[in-house]
Amino acid sequence: EAQVTQNPRYLITVTGKKLTVTCSQNMNHEYMSWYRQDPGLGLRQIYYSMNVEVTDKGDVPEGYKVSRKEKRNFPLILESPSPNQTSLYFCASSVDYQLGTQYFGPGTRLTVL
Amino acid sequence: AQKITQTQPGMFVQEKEAVTLDCTYDTSDQSYGLFWYKQPSSGEMIFLIYQGSYDEQNATEGRYSLNFQKARKSANLVISASQLGDSAMYFCAMRESFTGGGNKLTFGTGTQLKVEL
Repeated sequence: EAQVTQNPRYLITVTGKKLTVTCSQNMNHEYMSWYRQDPGLGLRQIYYSMNVEVTDKGDVPEGYKVSRKEKRNFPLILESPSPNQTSLYFCASSVDYQLGTQYFGPGTRLTVL
Repeated sequence: AQKITQTQPGMFVQEKEAVTLDCTYDTSDQSYGLFWYKQPSSGEMIFLIYQGSYDEQNATEGRYSLNFQKARKSANLVISASQLGDSAMYFCAMRESFTGGGNKLTFGTGTQLKVEL
């Protein structure tokens, strides 16, 4: 089954404790992206990757890192999480940069205390 | 300035009626794409419909159609014959190109649709 998976689905952590949210897709997609969703703000892009070893900043990259060492994986790293990073995070992939159909993961709800 | 504007935070519609969800956009690109996504209460994002800026015909997918008015920069979603299962948050999004060759999606703030009996 074609899908984007994210782990963990729910995470409660404390300020400053490094964490990684994993994202994996099994569709051999080139384009992957991370978004955060906050009430009243819709989804905002954090980082995106057009292919292996090619990543770039989206609208709200501060406080986040990403890597794309393999085509299927695109982890999101919070080196020192802060409470303002409490949000719902989505990973997404599409076959190419045209983003014709973007497949979203199920979301990761992160709470930083 | 907002790139994607959805002016209706919430909408109600009766079952079997048609409903239009508004979306206006702002871009100086000649080539861009417009999308609608549905987010039910379970939280997943579901792709509904896509319209390319050069497409002359309005996109349709089953009960969904996109009313694309390029000169007015609007891309309204029309849902015909609403069903209870259509109750969800709906997001309009636009694909833009970067000078360096990348693309990104910018989302609106969403419209919460409630379908009533």
